[in-house]
Amino acid sequence: DVKVTQSSRYLVKRTGEKVFLECVQDMDHENMFWYRQDPGLGLRLIYFSYDVKMKEKGDIPEGYSVSREKKERFSLILESASTNQTSMYLCASSRGEGTGNTIYFGEGSWLTVV
Amino acid sequence: GQQVMQIPQYQHVQEGEDFTTYCNSSTTLSNIQWYKQRPGGHPVFLIQLVKSGEVKKQKRLTFQFGEAKKNSSLHITATQTTDVGTYFCAVNTGNQFYFGTGTSLTVIP
Repeated sequence: DVKVTQSSRYLVKRTGEKVFLECVQDMDHENMFWYRQDPGLGLRLIYFSYDVKMKEKGDIPEGYSVSREKKERFSLILESASTNQTSMYLCASSRGEGTGNTIYFGEGSWLTVV
Repeated sequence: GQQVMQIPQYQHVQEGEDFTTYCNSSTTLSNIQWYKQRPGGHPVFLIQLVKSGEVKKQKRLTFQFGEAKKNSSLHITATQTTDVGTYFCAVNTGNQFYFGTGTSLTVIP
């Protein structure tokens, strides 16, 4: 089974802190994604990466950056956390070739910024 | 990018009642996927449809892909409390996934 592991399940950070959310997948997937989920707003794509060192902005990249130094690892960085970034963050991965691929999600990281 | 509209946003049903959520697109879809997210959990893949008019069943869940491949539905017969959660439709086009906004299902015992 595909496993997507997010290193932190629950975090509480102070406004202005730098926050790292780490994600690792074990299926040699080309694509990795970071989503944010808020009540009533569905899944919103922050960034995705289709290869090592490659990244593409999603729908809401402002205030975030990402890093993909190794194929299996995709990190989300909040350079200076703000209260409006309090949310649930989901990492995901998928194969890159063709269509009809399945996306696999991690268990989510609940971030509270105070 | 491709847009997939999903309705309703919320649905409350009595246990035993049926439930349906719908996804619609203005463009022809190469595939449609359905995911379920339990409360406090993460979305998990349920099924994929790729053929025009395709119908697939998983126990009490019936998934349909429209003849024109522009819409899809998920129907649950005789809901149970274990069906509670948010159901998302999605389309995969190579590197991209386009998700509907989800339907949150509450089942009242």
